[in-house]
Amino acid sequence: KQEVTQIPAALSVPEGENLVLNCSFTDSAIYNLQWFRQDPGKGLTSLLLIQSSQREQTSGRLNASLDKSSGRSTLYIAASQPGDSATYLCAVSIGNQFYFGTGTSLTVIP
Amino acid sequence: EAGVAQSPRYKIIEKRQSVAFWCNPISGHATLYWYQQILGQGPKLLIQFQNNGVVDDSQLPKDRFSAERLKGVDSTLKIQPAKLEDSAVYLCASSWARNTEAFFGQGTRLTVV
Repeated sequence: KQEVTQIPAALSVPEGENLVLNCSFTDSAIYNLQWFRQDPGKGLTSLLLIQSSQREQTSGRLNASLDKSSGRSTLYIAASQPGDSATYLCAVSIGNQFYFGTGTSLTVIP
Repeated sequence: EAGVAQSPRYKIIEKRQSVAFWCNPISGHATLYWYQQILGQGPKLLIQFQNNGVVDDSQLPKDRFSAERLKGVDSTLKIQPAKLEDSAVYLCASSWARNTEAFFGQGTRLTVV
């Protein structure tokens, strides 16, 4: 069974700092990996999708990388803003479903 | 493009009562998922549909949970009877096809008292 781990569980940074969120998974036979953002009491918003054949994807201040062989992905957030405060979840697609990590709760302090 | 619609947003019921949730996926999306997210945890797949057929329901507690997607568009998830441990957010998601980008609705927060 696929296990997805996200470290750290919580992170607090001052505004303007660059930061990295980590996601690791046990089975490298994935179709793709998706990063989501979840605000309190809300659903999940898709941020980036990386296909298994890709190494990275970029959207604005976000950059996600994928290293299938080591079972790792990172989400890089540049010049963090208070509006980036949320929980960030990664999910790997394998077989018929997505397997989610437990998320990293990010707080950006003004 | 309209997103995934879910209703209701919130529901409070007593244990042993029944409840139903509704989901309307993004138009044209063949794959529909129902996830359960317990506080502090990542979402866990309950059931996946491809059009109106079930692809995976291995983690659905079938003694109390049921779901259908009769016309291959919208879907309902039912719990009967509810237990305290069913308190969670129920998320619906859809994608164009299996293993493509998934889009989630706002979720239904269920509290069982």
